[in-house]
Amino acid sequence: KAGVTQTPRYLIKTRGQQVTLSCSPISGHRSVSWYQQTPGQGLQFLFEYFSETQRNKGNFPGRFSGRQFSNSRSEMNVSTLELGDSALYLCASSLVDGTTDTQYFGPGTRLTVL
Amino acid sequence: GDSVTQMEGPVTLSEEAFLTINCTYTATGYPSLFWYVQYPGEGLQLLLKATKADDKGSNKGFEATYRKETTSFHLEKGSVQVSDSAVYFCAFPSNTGKLIFGQGTTLQVKP
Repeated sequence: KAGVTQTPRYLIKTRGQQVTLSCSPISGHRSVSWYQQTPGQGLQFLFEYFSETQRNKGNFPGRFSGRQFSNSRSEMNVSTLELGDSALYLCASSLVDGTTDTQYFGPGTRLTVL
Repeated sequence: GDSVTQMEGPVTLSEEAFLTINCTYTATGYPSLFWYVQYPGEGLQLLLKATKADDKGSNKGFEATYRKETTSFHLEKGSVQVSDSAVYFCAFPSNTGKLIFGQGTTLQVKP
């Protein structure tokens, strides 16, 4: 069974631009979560989607948004990019519920904001 | 609140040495516990998990036992290899499902 896939793997943007990242979960998994990883803050939770609905949200500004499609694929969008948005963005999928089901991670998208 | 504390790194060992990475947690209830590993330039890979007290998770020679009394989930391996060099994260899901991570422990294994 294929794992979690994320595209693109690397992105370079400039301040003020916007970016869209994509995540395809493991087949049959319906929950998708997004995390931001930076050297200073470590791993921080962005949001979780299930059945096309945002179920949980972390403490990030409204510039960070996401959505989930009927096939469980998810996208996250960051608008008006800032230098501090440079990070590794990780997507994780689980069967139904991250409280009881194991979350499996993708390889991440490395975003660099210049 | 929910939190995970891991031992500070980097941990530097010679090949075939014994490894212990300490992890203690503060959680509501008794969640499943996980160790994830991150190799350079990659995402997080599930290394092992334990779902209840006294469970022992194991994989690739790594082991960790869920200790409810000491709220610990220490990672051990009897003989490390250079290929084990990576960052190791201890984690558990909060009651909303988001994973609570430790700060990560970098392991460097020298030949």
